[in-house]
Amino acid sequence: GENVEQHPSTLSVQEGDSAVIKCTYSDSASNYFPWYKQELGKGPQLIIDIRSNVGEKKDQRIAVTLNKTAKHFSLHITETQPEDSAVYFCAASTGGFKTIFGAGTRLFVKA
Amino acid sequence: DTEVTQTPKHLVMGMTNKKSLKCEQHMGHRAMYWYKQKAKKPPELMFVYSYEKLSINESVPSRFSPECPNSSLLNLHLHALQPEDSALYLCASSQEAVSNQPQHFGDGTRLSIL
Repeated sequence: GENVEQHPSTLSVQEGDSAVIKCTYSDSASNYFPWYKQELGKGPQLIIDIRSNVGEKKDQRIAVTLNKTAKHFSLHITETQPEDSAVYFCAASTGGFKTIFGAGTRLFVKA
Repeated sequence: DTEVTQTPKHLVMGMTNKKSLKCEQHMGHRAMYWYKQKAKKPPELMFVYSYEKLSINESVPSRFSPECPNSSLLNLHLHALQPEDSALYLCASSQEAVSNQPQHFGDGTRLSIL
């Protein structure tokens, strides 16, 4: 079955710096890659997603890149702000009902 | 505010109690999900309903019993739970029961088993 590895597990950056979180997946049939942000006491919220026919997608300060050949995808957050502090999960889906989540990255943005 | 509403937000119950978790969405989504999330871990899929029919049961113990009374509501009935069942239970929905649909999560019910 699909396996998603996520790194790093913890990331600490200074406000205004960029943050990068990387994920790899195992199933070449995966074709949908969402990213979720989970704040303390809240459920995961979708922040950006990318489909396998696209190599890059950007939404304001957030961008995601996908390398299908290497089975890598990454989340890039620029100009980080304290409110970006949260746990971020990458995920992959092969097209069924199941979404496989990475282990999560705890991001700290220091003011 | 999340568009998926879960009640209650917190629940403490004994191992012999029977309780239910409720989830509601009014986005017209036709797929609904239950996840279990332990501290510092990703969500783990438990059940998937598609068009009000159970599509996936991830080998969940029978002490958890899901129910989908209509397309907007999802329940999780709990009975004779164990201490290791203490966790955050998340409900999610997606527009269609097909691939490549983002899931919208509620804020969960934090369940503690005494």
